[in-house]
This record gives sequence, C-alpha cells and structure tokens, in this order.
Amino acid sequence: GALVYQYPRRTICKSGTSMRMECQAVGFQATSVAWYRQSPQKTFELIALSTVNSAIKYEQNFTQEKFPISHPNLSFSSMTVLNAYLEDRGLYLCGAREGLNQDTQYFGPGTRLLVL
Amino acid sequence: GDSVTQTEGQVALSEEDFLTIHCNYSASGYPALFWYVQYPGEGPQFLFRASRDKEKGSSRGFEATYDKGTTSFHLRKASVQESDSAVYYCALGDPGTGGYKVVFGSGTRLLVSP
Repeated sequence: GALVYQYPRRTICKSGTSMRMECQAVGFQATSVAWYRQSPQKTFELIALSTVNSAIKYEQNFTQEKFPISHPNLSFSSMTVLNAYLEDRGLYLCGAREGLNQDTQYFGPGTRLLVL
Repeated sequence: GDSVTQTEGQVALSEEDFLTIHCNYSASGYPALFWYVQYPGEGPQFLFRASRDKEKGSSRGFEATYDKGTTSFHLRKASVQESDSAVYYCALGDPGTGGYKVVFGSGTRLLVSP
C-alpha cells in the first residue's frame, strides 16, 4: 500500500531559527508532492505543490524564500521553515500522489512544529 | 474558488448508532471527492473516493455516494463503534493550473461513547 513517512514527528525551535522536515514515499513513486500546514484550529492551508519535472508552485501567502522545498526524486521531498516565528507553528503535512493521472493524495503523519 | 462545506462541527453518538456527516461541495465539472479520517497526533488517512455521479465509495463500513444534483457526498455508517471516534474531513480534488491540490472541509469531530 501507499505509505508516506515524515521526519521528524515533532520539533521545537527558537523564534528566528530554521528547521528542515522530510517526506518519504514508500511503496510508490510520488510524482507529485503537496505540503500543507494544519493550524491549531485544524484548518488546512496549502503551502506549495511540487510535481516532477515542473517548477514548484507556491500558494498565496507562502514563498520560496520562507519555505524552500526540494523534490530531488520520486520518493523524497524536504521543506525548510526559515526564520520560524510563532505564527508558523502547526502540523506540517506532506501529501504524495502516485502518477500524474491519479487523484488520491496519501498523507504522512506530519511534523509538528512548536516555536518558542 | 472550489470549496467544501461540512455543517456539523461535532457529532456525539452511542455505539451501534447510525452515523451521517453532511458534506456539500462547490466546484465546476466533476471533481474527485474524498473522505479522510484523522486521529489525534496523526495526519489525515484516506478512507475512500468517488469521481462520477452516483458512484459510491466505501471502506471500513463507511460509505458515501457522489450526488452531482445536490452537490453532496454525505458520509454514512450503519453502526458506529467507539474506535470510530476521530475527525472526519470531506475533500475535493482540484486539478487547477499549477498542479493537483486537495481542498478540505472544516472537519467533523465524531465522538462515540460505549
């Protein structure tokens, strides 16, 4: 089955510092990866979409300068939160899709970011 | 833009009760529709999907039927168990112009008491 791992599961960083999180697809090739943030109020915000052989597309209010993403192969993606502040806290989710003609996104367990 | 509406913020039931969680969507064409379930401390888990009018999706006793006429995809289960307690999200797939993304509803917390 389609499994998505995320690492770390939980991290705490000081305000103004940066942290990197990883997403690994197991058992399938992730041609498309989407990064979301789930707020403490449980709403989902799409940060960016990364499709193999295409430029990464960031949603409004999210930028490459703040959330640089790497998607070097079909099983791995990483995202960094630069200069994290209190409003960046939340559960960061990676959703991976197998095949460009498939519509189901499989999510990892998330990386919970706490900012002090 | 595309959107998904879940009217119930929380549903409280007893074991073996019948469950209905309402989901309505707003989108052009025939978007794929999904139900995800999220347990505490975890990411959303895919339950099932449907992509055509009158198509029924199902998994683990849960089911929903794609209804283009009423733009709905209501989740139902005949007999809930305590272990079904979680947050349920209805979602639609938006191909968009920049790549495929999932638009989530606000979620419905299901509490099942023994």
